[in-house]
Amino acid sequence: ETGVTQTPRHLVMGMTNKKSLKCEQHLGHNAMYWYKQSAKKPLELMFVYNFKEQTENNSVPSRFSPECPNSSHLFLHLHTLQPEDSALYLCASSQDTGTGTYEQYFGPGTRLTVT
Amino acid sequence: AQSVSQHNHHVILSEAASLELGCNYSYGGTVNLFWYVQYPGQHLQLLLKYFSGDPLVKGIKGFEAEFIKSKFSFNLRKPSVQWSDTAEYFCAVIPVERNNRLAFGKGNQVVVIP
Repeated sequence: ETGVTQTPRHLVMGMTNKKSLKCEQHLGHNAMYWYKQSAKKPLELMFVYNFKEQTENNSVPSRFSPECPNSSHLFLHLHTLQPEDSALYLCASSQDTGTGTYEQYFGPGTRLTVT
Repeated sequence: AQSVSQHNHHVILSEAASLELGCNYSYGGTVNLFWYVQYPGQHLQLLLKYFSGDPLVKGIKGFEAEFIKSKFSFNLRKPSVQWSDTAEYFCAVIPVERNNRLAFGKGNQVVVIP
């Protein structure tokens, strides 16, 4: 499979659950990103990893915990979420962060509903 | 922090009409500029980008955008739209000094009526 894949595509979880979102890129890229897309809001950057090192945490609450074990995989661990965390979570990758000129390739997203 | 403004969030037009979507950003330094598109049921994908040089850039599917530095704008245009251009269009900006932080606008939902 090519491009950026995300699993699961849909997730419903209770506020006390622990779950993880997975992202995998097959493009040989070195940078990976998590974004949150809520209704009527701009796409919000959450985390950036470049060569497996976290380089950006955009003031994300600690109930979201990213993990990047290698350049091809990115996880978002979720625990004790709130209903307002319901959103589409998008993963993206790029060659690296460079000077901000590299195109980002996006996955299809995970639609998360917190009940 | 930089912000990106897109107006007219919902646009409905007929085939062969011209399309222009506005994008303004609030950042005083040097920026890289992008337009992304999301067709129904598909991933976000790059439409075009501007880093430097000719401020009029051409992208895929007949789209073009013009960077006007004095107006902090990067408007997207297409002279004659097709039904297949129905999609959501996002403007995005990244400051050169903060190469991690790609900031998106809210998007324009464009519907082209055959």
